[in-house]
Amino acid sequence: KNEVEQSPQNLTAQEGEFITINCSYSVGISALHWLQQHPGGGIVSLFMLSSGKKKHGRLIATINIQEKHSSLHITASHPRDSAVYICAVGYNNNDMRFGAGTRLTVKP
Amino acid sequence: NAGVTQTPKFQVLKTGQSMTLQCAQDMNHEYMSWYRQDPGMGLRLIHYSVGAGITDQGEVPNGYNVSRSTTEDFPLRLLSAAPSQTSVYFCACRLIPNTGELFFGEGSRLTVL
Repeated sequence: KNEVEQSPQNLTAQEGEFITINCSYSVGISALHWLQQHPGGGIVSLFMLSSGKKKHGRLIATINIQEKHSSLHITASHPRDSAVYICAVGYNNNDMRFGAGTRLTVKP
Repeated sequence: NAGVTQTPKFQVLKTGQSMTLQCAQDMNHEYMSWYRQDPGMGLRLIHYSVGAGITDQGEVPNGYNVSRSTTEDFPLRLLSAAPSQTSVYFCACRLIPNTGELFFGEGSRLTVL
């Protein structure tokens, strides 16, 4: 069983829809990362969270430490948001574990 | 600034051959790490380093060696390649070991025949 579970695995949305991707983890962490992997393969960091909520443009990330759960929200989705979104957790010993990713397709 | 540079981008090896994947960063980040990405498996941490002279094992270290002689470079060595090591490899770095943003290289696609 993966230590980091993401849902859904695949998500198709119409342009303009509000999107939520969920991430659950099993043990205490020092930080949680949301990453975006474009169809060309490059990976970029979207957020790093240790508590609360962060917002960047149309993207919002939240984390609930007690429930060991994080969500990534995309408001007013656009076809250029189509990518794989990856949740990753970091531990105090600097080890990291990753979710399998959520493949998002936004149709015009 | 180039950020994180990985070479080569593509490599084909025969079983038993050795090779080194290079990773260099110009951001003066202390933490560097190597991952492999396989279909359906997601990213998995191979080895990481929190500074020059310090390395540690991640989730899937077997078959790989690393060293960190400088802050800038973190090479990944395959001493005897196996078909199971066919994968896409990513190098990443961050400024603060536990809480910094991750910066990834473009990836290296390795095929072992």
